[in-house]
Amino acid sequence: NAGVTQTPKFQVLKTGQSMTLQCAQDMNHEYMSWYRQDPGMGLRLIHYSVGAGITDQGEVPNGYNVSRSTTEDFPLRLLSAAPSQTSVYFCASSNQQGVRYNEKLFFGSGTQLSVL
Amino acid sequence: DQQVKQNSPSLSVQEGRISILNCDYTNSMFDYFLWYKKYPAEGPTFLISISSIKDKNEDGRFTVFLNKSAKHLSLHIVPSQPGDSAVYFCAACRPVYNQGGKLIFGQGTELSVKP
Repeated sequence: NAGVTQTPKFQVLKTGQSMTLQCAQDMNHEYMSWYRQDPGMGLRLIHYSVGAGITDQGEVPNGYNVSRSTTEDFPLRLLSAAPSQTSVYFCASSNQQGVRYNEKLFFGSGTQLSVL
Repeated sequence: DQQVKQNSPSLSVQEGRISILNCDYTNSMFDYFLWYKKYPAEGPTFLISISSIKDKNEDGRFTVFLNKSAKHLSLHIVPSQPGDSAVYFCAACRPVYNQGGKLIFGQGTELSVKP
């Protein structure tokens, strides 16, 4: 199993450009999420989804859009990149256990994004 | 406001000795706590967890202690090995059912185990 796959691994953008970070998982997990990691800040939740067609905001959603058309894929869109979005982005997934979702997240290897 | 704090950015330990990583939290509604380990250029991987109904959980060389009254948890690694050198994140969540694993992470502590 590939687990959680993120592409690209590295990306450089100019301010105002748009792009989509791809995330795919092959574990049939209902829950998928996007985090960003910044020095001294830990990982912060951007958006999450509990199933196809269902998304919601996390702690730092501004400047990012998501959609979930399939169980496997959860892309993160930057519509107009800003230098403040320079970060390492991680996609994660987990499955449901009872009425809660398994907090033991499986993470992808990350996308390092620089916005100039 | 940082709800989960790891106040030590780094820790250096000799191989074979104990490593103690600390984490404090402010939200008394948190009911589940986890530690993740992260190597450079890789995503975090789950290490160990503890429910708020327990005060200790062990898994091999790794033990997590939870002190609810002090809102403090710690990760003990005994004995420490050079392969344990990584960044360790503590994380916490509260019981918001059917809304996924909305974990709140600390800033991370970089552990270096010297041979």
